[in-house]
Amino acid sequence: NAGVTQTPKFQVLKTGQSMTLQCAQDMNHNSMYWYRQDPGMGLRLIYYSASEGTTDKGEVPNGYNVSRLNKREFSLRLESAAPSQTSVYFCASSPRIKGQGPNSPLHFGNGTRLTVT
Amino acid sequence: AQKITQTQPGMFVQEKEAVTLDCTYDTSDQSYGLFWYKQPSSGEMIFLIYQGSYDEQNATEGRYSLNFQKARKSANLVISASQLGDSAMYFCAMREGGGYQKVTFGIGTKLQVIP
Repeated sequence: NAGVTQTPKFQVLKTGQSMTLQCAQDMNHNSMYWYRQDPGMGLRLIYYSASEGTTDKGEVPNGYNVSRLNKREFSLRLESAAPSQTSVYFCASSPRIKGQGPNSPLHFGNGTRLTVT
Repeated sequence: AQKITQTQPGMFVQEKEAVTLDCTYDTSDQSYGLFWYKQPSSGEMIFLIYQGSYDEQNATEGRYSLNFQKARKSANLVISASQLGDSAMYFCAMREGGGYQKVTFGIGTKLQVIP
């Protein structure tokens, strides 16, 4: 069971460079999420996708773009990296179960540690 | 305004003792879900326990229980019989909104279990 797979695990970028963080899940989940984790700030939602073909902004979307390529994959792109984007990035997914309320936990990938110099 | 507030940046507990980690939340929705996650030093996020806003009983999962006080908007995590392996960051989270797609986390509490 792979669950949620993120690549790469580590990345160092120079200011102004671009890159795409990849995320794939094999649990047939409808919803996918990107969070960033910074010391003292918990996990902050960047973007989420409730279903294939839809994306919505979270708390901190500036400087990022996302693509929900298909049901399995949800990528996060940094077009012009900045030192403020140094962080640990987590992708997560959850099923969307009608009629059962908000009881679906998020399943997380192992994170990508990004450093922007 | 913070949706999820965790006011204890760090906590210490003696091994085998119980500990309560605080969480308060803010929402105008009637239906919502509350979650606790554990993040050990290895970095992965582990789901611990869930409480629904309409659940009448407090949730329990093994040594974890959730003290849910709806009127106070609090959802505190209680860990009984602490073990050294419980040393980790603990995050409270809330799922709310249309379709319950938005999930918001608190800033976390670092728990250290002392032998």
